[in-house]
Amino acid sequence: QSALTQPPSASGSPGQSVTISCTGTSSDVGGYNYVSWYQQHPGKAPKLMIYEVSKRPSGVPDRFSGSKSGNTASLTVSGLQAEDEADYYCSSYAGSNNPYVFGTGTKVTVL
Amino acid sequence: EVQLVESGGGLVQPGGSLRLSCAASGFTFSSYSMNWVRQAPGKGLEWISYISSSSSTIYYADSVKGRFTISRDNAKNSLYLQMNSLRAEDTAVYYCASATSYDFDYWGQGTLVTVSS
Repeated sequence: QSALTQPPSASGSPGQSVTISCTGTSSDVGGYNYVSWYQQHPGKAPKLMIYEVSKRPSGVPDRFSGSKSGNTASLTVSGLQAEDEADYYCSSYAGSNNPYVFGTGTKVTVL
Repeated sequence: EVQLVESGGGLVQPGGSLRLSCAASGFTFSSYSMNWVRQAPGKGLEWISYISSSSSTIYYADSVKGRFTISRDNAKNSLYLQMNSLRAEDTAVYYCASATSYDFDYWGQGTLVTVSS
């Protein structure tokens, strides 16, 4: 199972929006509405930000939104804040036997 | 408050074994599937193993299949990962993560495993 493809980096100024893509195949991203996104600050554990493509867990700001089209999912962070600077990973269910695959990760920088 | 606390990491020689533990609290552990996810130094996340709430369903990533064994003790609210035949490429921070659906909703702080002679 190959990792999902994400851009290595993305950036934006405070208050702007940034969108991160996550490209897989019809066997993972395109085949199921089970894409999730995780935020990871340096030296910390990942935190669930989006699940089932576009749902936000309780406590996650509505500045974070998710979507999917075909084999590509996207995470948009609107109204960028300094604390949004982190690594972001997507993940998708990929069927039984090898059920989960992560993306390659994107480092978001707030300029 | 949900808490997952990993332990058991450390330095081990290639070919050696290690057993990781994950102590859960703040939720009904026996109702949740659990996973192990690892992260090599400076690298991305890699899912390595899944176990259903009743232990009836278990999956492994190809990279660890045949060498690692996941298990759980619902009476002790604990998750385990027995790691055998360790290789240098197994060096990573190992996280346990709970699963409500097809995602990883809570994570522990991780435990570092270093495989080196």
